[in-house]
Amino acid sequence: DGGITQSPKYLFRKEGQNVTLSCEQNLNHDAMYWYRQDPGQGLRLIYYSQIVNDFQKGDIAEGYSVSREKKESFPLTVTSAQKNPTAFYLCASSKNRAPYEQYFGPGTRLTVT
Amino acid sequence: AQTVTQSQPEMSVQEAETVTLSCTYDTSESDYYLFWYKQPPSRQMILVIRQEAYKQQNATENRFSVNFQKAAKSFSLKISDSQLGDAAMYFCAYRRSGAGSYQLTFGKGTKLSVIP
Repeated sequence: DGGITQSPKYLFRKEGQNVTLSCEQNLNHDAMYWYRQDPGQGLRLIYYSQIVNDFQKGDIAEGYSVSREKKESFPLTVTSAQKNPTAFYLCASSKNRAPYEQYFGPGTRLTVT
Repeated sequence: AQTVTQSQPEMSVQEAETVTLSCTYDTSESDYYLFWYKQPPSRQMILVIRQEAYKQQNATENRFSVNFQKAAKSFSLKISDSQLGDAAMYFCAYRRSGAGSYQLTFGKGTKLSVIP
């Protein structure tokens, strides 16, 4: 079955450590996205990528980095510069044509202490 | 900038009854897309329904339908014959039309409870 996988489901890190969240899709989608979700909030866009080897900052990119070396993969690194990294992180993908529906992975809950 | 507002943080509905979730948005664009996503306790976001702004006909997907009022910038979701599995957070989202406009703007969500 086609879909989006994110691993791990739960991740725990000590403050000051960088951590990388995995996102893989086999939907043959060109575009991929990373969102952050905090309690009582909608989703906020961190980074997105329209094609391989290209990505753009979203609304809250500070303290995060991404790479897009393969069409299927879009890992997100939460760096020590991110002041409040504990959150739920969702990866999504879509085609680069109308209606641009985004499909989401199951998410990763990151806890930094 | 586009904004999406969901004015009902929480709602409840009796099983088998009908409920309507509200969403309003602000945009100066004439062509765009609107979506409703469901987030159950598993927290995976599931696309429920989509509406293209250029279409006058309201979208329907089985028990889910929308009331799209373009002039009023309103996009409500109606769930008919509510089931226990409908209990979830529901998010309204907006996307400009065009290949260069990738961002989905989300509302803050409405938590729907279904009472047996």
